[in-house]
Amino acid sequence: TQLLEQSPQFLSIQEGENLTVYCNSSSVFSSLQWYRQEPGEGPVLLVTVVTGGEVKKLKRLTFQFGDARKDSSLHITAAQPGDTGLYLCAGERGGGSNYKLTFGKGTLLTVNP
Amino acid sequence: GAVVSQHPSRVICKSGTSVKIECRSLDFQATTMFWYRQFPKQSLMLMATSNEGSKATYEQGVEKDKFLINHASLTLSTLTVTSAHPEDSSFYICSAVPGTGDEKLFFGSGTQLSVL
Repeated sequence: TQLLEQSPQFLSIQEGENLTVYCNSSSVFSSLQWYRQEPGEGPVLLVTVVTGGEVKKLKRLTFQFGDARKDSSLHITAAQPGDTGLYLCAGERGGGSNYKLTFGKGTLLTVNP
Repeated sequence: GAVVSQHPSRVICKSGTSVKIECRSLDFQATTMFWYRQFPKQSLMLMATSNEGSKATYEQGVEKDKFLINHASLTLSTLTVTSAHPEDSSFYICSAVPGTGDEKLFFGSGTQLSVL
């Protein structure tokens, strides 16, 4: 069972367009992370959202955490070809030896020049 | 920032051989390390959680005798794919959690395994 539903799975847009990626779950997470991954490399952490209703901005990227801490969204404004990559949301639970990070299925974004 | 080194980055082997992948935390001690598997254009699937000095905890459906995990020190965990077959070809990624109470995860750069 996939705890985190991420959509869309694939997205191909033109440079300058806006887009939103969604990450939804029926479970509550202590925090939710967004990663970007390029082929042949490990994921790179973009942001961690912790508080319900939290909004964080990273240049043209805006991240929101739902009030109930079950869902999150990533909005990119004026996408550029350099934004191309696999975007992953991941929910954190537990701590210490019970720590677990569960990934969504990912969104493969292609921004065409 | 914290660095996790994963080696090798790419390995090609013959079917039936065993391959060892190393994951090292270079500037912090990692009480817990995680091993993931990733198929092309798909997300990371957690294979197992490795705790220093104890047996790894495997996710459902992951064969522990096939994917041997050793976490003998606070800076090194290894994943050995035993008797590798073509279906084991995949991108394997490790991550580590510092034992400082800060649960931020640091990822290695991954290992692309190709079994011929």
